[in-house]
Amino acid sequence: GIQVEQSPPDLILQEGANSTLRCNFSDSVNNLQWFHQNPWGQLINLFYIPSGTKQNGRLSATTVATERYSLLYISSSQTTDSGVYFCAVLQTGANNLFFGTGTRLTVIP
Amino acid sequence: ETGVTQTPRHLVMGMTNKKSLKCEQHLGHNAMYWYKQSAKKPLELMFVYSLEERVENNSVPSRFSPECPNSSHLFLHLHTLQPEDSALYLCASSHLAGAYEQYFGPGTRLTVT
Repeated sequence: GIQVEQSPPDLILQEGANSTLRCNFSDSVNNLQWFHQNPWGQLINLFYIPSGTKQNGRLSATTVATERYSLLYISSSQTTDSGVYFCAVLQTGANNLFFGTGTRLTVIP
Repeated sequence: ETGVTQTPRHLVMGMTNKKSLKCEQHLGHNAMYWYKQSAKKPLELMFVYSLEERVENNSVPSRFSPECPNSSHLFLHLHTLQPEDSALYLCASSHLAGAYEQYFGPGTRLTVT
């Protein structure tokens, strides 16, 4: 199956700082999603972004499918941004998402 | 609130018990999924249903048995589980299987004693 690698695995930020999370994948994809998993386990959809750039408030994402990576930008981080961020990809021809191992973000006041 | 609900939210069961997890989606979708999230492992797919037909069975032990009676409901029947089956079980749905955005429920945290 496709390999999905996320970096960094852990990130600690001061409130107000900016950060970039990276997702590399090993094969062509026709779907890429970013999720935030809250402490209770709920996966919250952040972006559906198989290619291009999208922005939603303080968050934005860019996927360069030809180079097999995606970036998630978090600006002016808040304590409520803490949690685990997952990148998940749908390999061309597959039915299910393959998840990375996540980036655990901790924002301290 | 994603439009996908799961019950129960927490479940503790013995290895000889039989229980069922329920998922319901209110999004008008036609594909539903079961994923398993174990400690220190990536989320992994268990089953995919599209238009009420199973389209993927990811080498899951037979002690897990899915059921999709209609496009809005998905069940996971559990029997004679092992302690290593303790995990967070997540249900998801999408318009169709394939390159469509998936939406997840809150999960059922299962502990097998």
